Amino acid sequence: GAGVSQSPSNKVTEKGKDVELRCDPISGHTALYWYRQRLGQGLEFLIYFQGNSAPDKSGLPSDRFSAERTGESVSTLTIQRTQQEDSAVYLCASRPARDNQPQHFGDGTRLSIL
Amino acid sequence: DQQVKQNSPSLSVQEGRISILNCDYTNSMFDYFLWYKKYPAEGPTFLISISSIKDKNEDGRFTVFLNKSAKHLSLHIVPSQPGDSAVYFCAASAYHNDMRFGAGTRLTVKP
Repeated sequence: GAGVSQSPSNKVTEKGKDVELRCDPISGHTALYWYRQRLGQGLEFLIYFQGNSAPDKSGLPSDRFSAERTGESVSTLTIQRTQQEDSAVYLCASRPARDNQPQHFGDGTRLSIL
Repeated sequence: DQQVKQNSPSLSVQEGRISILNCDYTNSMFDYFLWYKKYPAEGPTFLISISSIKDKNEDGRFTVFLNKSAKHLSLHIVPSQPGDSAVYFCAASAYHNDMRFGAGTRLTVKP
């Protein structure tokens, strides 16, 4: 497709389970971002990948959160031992390497922890 | 740390009038600023941007103003239309790296 694709669109799981969220960026976009949006709140930066550079993990809230990206392709965000406060919409965005280009967002994965 | 702040969680305006959404930032290294619009159950979509070398950028009904000395930017929508009702996020980045977002302002345009 032409846009950023995220899967699943919705995920409901029990507290304590691990979840894996997937993001397919726009082809050719070297930068990829993960954000979290809790109900009624803004976008919280989680992690940023730029090409083959070391990712900026400064936004990950705990060591239960991790993300991977192979080259300039798919990224997965993994949350281990989920907690109820992890319930949120997780948004992925990608951007070209050229200067001053906006991010393009997927529609997000709505994660609900029971 | 909230480097980008949108202090008004909501704004309501009448159709045809001007909507003004405000954003403040603290990081003087930010050099690229954007506004995104978000509808429910969708990802944010890019609306308009401005580089730090400019103080104004206009695109149709949308104009973004940047005041670097005050570390403030604003989005003007005129005339406002009911279809503009959405949540608007301000965003900023430094050296084209990671991008930081404000908490958003929910705009309601009443017919």
